[in-house]
Amino acid sequence: GQQVQQSPASLVLQEGENAELQCNFSTSLNSMQWFYQRPGGSLVSLFYNPSGTKQSGRLTSTTVIKERRSSLHISSSQTTDSGTYLCAMANYAQGLTFGLGTRVSVFP
Amino acid sequence: GALVYQYPRRTICKSGTSMRMECQAVGFQATSVAWYRQSPQKTFELIALSTVNSAIKYEQNFTQEKFPISHPNLSFSSMTVLNAYLEDRGLYLCGARDASSAETLYFGSGTRLTVL
Repeated sequence: GQQVQQSPASLVLQEGENAELQCNFSTSLNSMQWFYQRPGGSLVSLFYNPSGTKQSGRLTSTTVIKERRSSLHISSSQTTDSGTYLCAMANYAQGLTFGLGTRVSVFP
Repeated sequence: GALVYQYPRRTICKSGTSMRMECQAVGFQATSVAWYRQSPQKTFELIALSTVNSAIKYEQNFTQEKFPISHPNLSFSSMTVLNAYLEDRGLYLCGARDASSAETLYFGSGTRLTVL
């Protein structure tokens, strides 16, 4: 089964609304990362967040390792936030296992 | 800052031919490089993990015979898709690990492969 589960699968927002994206892991993990995938496909690393809360601008990531979950909060969404948000956990091989992503669409 | 240049950005090849993609780490030492593929409508799958001076470890469903990788030094890695067919199309990404930076992976911009 899917080791990294993301929800929701898609999200439609009106500009200015807040959003919460969830990531749950089926196995224990050492670290995880949040990525933003641009419409063209390239990845931007948002957070490397083994545990706790980190904030960067309008984005806040909170990870609770022992509960195997992480969330990404987008505040005051903008149209430029549209794209796919991926979470990934570091597996034993030190590569990453990605979730299926949450596709976010922000409309003016 | 740390950057990973990946090229080409896009490539089209005929079925049965091969294509090579390259990644170059700038501003840090890439102690390991992971190659991923995102097939259409799917998430990223790890193809292989390459660590300098160590054997390359391929994930299940991916082989060296199909995806040979070269990682000769701390700044360069290349992967070839041999005998590409329709099922090989997708976005290929390299992620380079900088051990001095909390083990964050820096990704290239990806190589989008179309197979005709």
